[in-house]
Amino acid sequence: DTEVTQTPKHLVMGMTNKKSLKCEQHMGHRAMYWYKQKAKKPPELMFVYSYEKLSINESVPSRFSPECPNSSLLNLHLHALQPEDSALYLCASSQDYRDRLDQPQHFGDGTRLSIL
Amino acid sequence: QKEVEQDPGPLRVPEGAIVSLNCTYSNSAFQYFMWYRQYSRKGPELLMYTYSSGNKEDGRFTAQVDKSSKYISLFIRDSQPSDSATYLCAMSENTGGFKTIFGAGTRLFVKA
Repeated sequence: DTEVTQTPKHLVMGMTNKKSLKCEQHMGHRAMYWYKQKAKKPPELMFVYSYEKLSINESVPSRFSPECPNSSLLNLHLHALQPEDSALYLCASSQDYRDRLDQPQHFGDGTRLSIL
Repeated sequence: QKEVEQDPGPLRVPEGAIVSLNCTYSNSAFQYFMWYRQYSRKGPELLMYTYSSGNKEDGRFTAQVDKSSKYISLFIRDSQPSDSATYLCAMSENTGGFKTIFGAGTRLFVKA
């Protein structure tokens, strides 16, 4: 079992629905990440939060909206998604020492999202 | 040219074989090198984490980094069917920031 927990494991939604993906870690990590992974492809970075502040937004469409309520939780709010957004959405976390921002990331098992 | 190149395979080996997985990269600023294992329908699991050049061993796994050749390797000794998975190399720069660049992943099948 991973130390990064993601819910739900599977999600099927229509293009007009609003849903949220949730991620939780209790390793004391202060950096949290959202990735999108299509089949047989590597993970693609979407967002990074450092100390609950958005640090990186990789030009992701506004139909994806991240939120970091506290240092252990990360949400991804979804609205008006397209069929091409169907993918595995992975959450990761890492230590965030201010002088060394290069600690390895630990991943959850992802939410498999299907858009009808 | 991609920053990180990794042969997607598949790589098929018999049980007990020594497996060699490799990545090349173009960015000389990369200093931190990782190998992740990803089983089907699971998230990537960190296997090895190495700073700069050299070797690191952990059980049946050995990671090698050759910065002069911009080449990294993961060796798996006495491979088992349970090692069948996709192996992703990943690397990041020394200048800070959170960006980890992943290779495409190599699919490995170990046959009993």
